[in-house]
Amino acid sequence: GAVVSQHPSRVICKSGTSVKIECRSLDFQATTMFWYRQFPKKSLMLMATSNEGSKATYEQGVEKDKFLINHASLTLSTLTVTSAHPEDSSFYICSALKWEGANEKLFFGSGTQLSVL
Amino acid sequence: RKEVEQDPGPFNVPEGATVAFNCTYSNSASQSFFWYRQDCRKEPKLLMSVYSSGNEDGRFTAQLNRASQYISLLIRDSKLSDSATYLCVVPFSGGYNKLIFGAGTRLAVHP
Repeated sequence: GAVVSQHPSRVICKSGTSVKIECRSLDFQATTMFWYRQFPKKSLMLMATSNEGSKATYEQGVEKDKFLINHASLTLSTLTVTSAHPEDSSFYICSALKWEGANEKLFFGSGTQLSVL
Repeated sequence: RKEVEQDPGPFNVPEGATVAFNCTYSNSASQSFFWYRQDCRKEPKLLMSVYSSGNEDGRFTAQLNRASQYISLLIRDSKLSDSATYLCVVPFSGGYNKLIFGAGTRLAVHP
């Protein structure tokens, strides 16, 4: 089946640094990818929709200058958490849309646990 | 009312038991629904899609009640490996562009 690769799986950083998370579709081209955030025992919250070759669409309340999204190719989207602070510590997951015939399917990356000290 | 609401559980059941979870949703225009399974600190994995009244796949049965705006997931003959969090997912606008995830129902199957 289709695979979405997300790296790194875990990152620990100091407050004030920036962290980049990569999301790759390994065997298909994904014009649309999504970025989610999940706090412990809470639901996944959509942060933004990443569109290849254009600007990302951010959900209400998500700071676009803090969470930079780049989708420069059909197989790669990156999320950069700029000037990370402890409150940004969370589980970040990406997903990619793939067309299989007439059906769309959503495939998730394995997630990145970010801990900001 | 929350857009997607689930009983957080946990549901603690013995192996072999039958267990059912409910999920209520607020958007009456929603046409498709999904159940995902998520293990701790892992990505969600699609368990079942529900487009009409229901769907069945082996030990798993999903049913949709549009009038009452809820979907259910029934697991028969529970296995230890079924222990996970089950997420009810409703597309906000009919497609994947905005999925609303429930907070999940935790299931623990014990020997």
